[in-house]
Amino acid sequence: AQTVTQSQPEMSVQEAETVTLSCTYDTSENNYYLFWYKQPPSRQMILVIRQEAYKQQNATENRFSVNFQKAAKSFSLKISDSQLGDTAMYFCAFMKHGSSNTGKLIFGQGTTLQVKP
Amino acid sequence: KAGVTQTPRYLIKTRGQQVTLSCSPISGHRSVSWYQQTPGQGLQFLFEYFSETQRNKGNFPGRFSGRQFSNSRSEMNVSTLELGDSALYLCASRDGGGQETQYFGPGTRLLVL
Repeated sequence: AQTVTQSQPEMSVQEAETVTLSCTYDTSENNYYLFWYKQPPSRQMILVIRQEAYKQQNATENRFSVNFQKAAKSFSLKISDSQLGDTAMYFCAFMKHGSSNTGKLIFGQGTTLQVKP
Repeated sequence: KAGVTQTPRYLIKTRGQQVTLSCSPISGHRSVSWYQQTPGQGLQFLFEYFSETQRNKGNFPGRFSGRQFSNSRSEMNVSTLELGDSALYLCASRDGGGQETQYFGPGTRLLVL
């Protein structure tokens, strides 16, 4: 069975600084997807970034980038130039790829990020 | 395109009652997944529907059920409510045709008294 672990329950960062959120996962699958979702206090879950395991290049979306280490089964999220609006709970999630993909995301426990002015 | 919508947004029920939650996916999306979010258990997968068929089910009792209609709208039903069913219920849709990203609705907050 797949598991996702986020070892940092809470983090804080000063506005404009950079912060890295950690995520590790365990799977015997070779093809899969990894995601970071953001859930602000309003509760709407928003996709931040996604990574396909077969792609070696790390995904980036504006100020958000990942460090994907497939062999180490690590998938960290870096937020550059942190903004107050980045304050939220961040979830790392795993999904199988292909025919075994049946719409099931496996989530980590979440990291609450506080951006301080 | 309009996003995923869920109704109702808030619900208060008493133990023993049943409840039905609704989810309308993004237009064109054929897959709908449901999740339960609680402070203690985090986000847990309930089930996924694709083209009106349940393709996968999480580890929840039979009191939790769902269905999907021909227009891809989905409902989930919880019968004989228990206090522990109090949670935020999220649905997510994806097109199911190779685009694997799930897009979430705002959720339904269920409180069981």
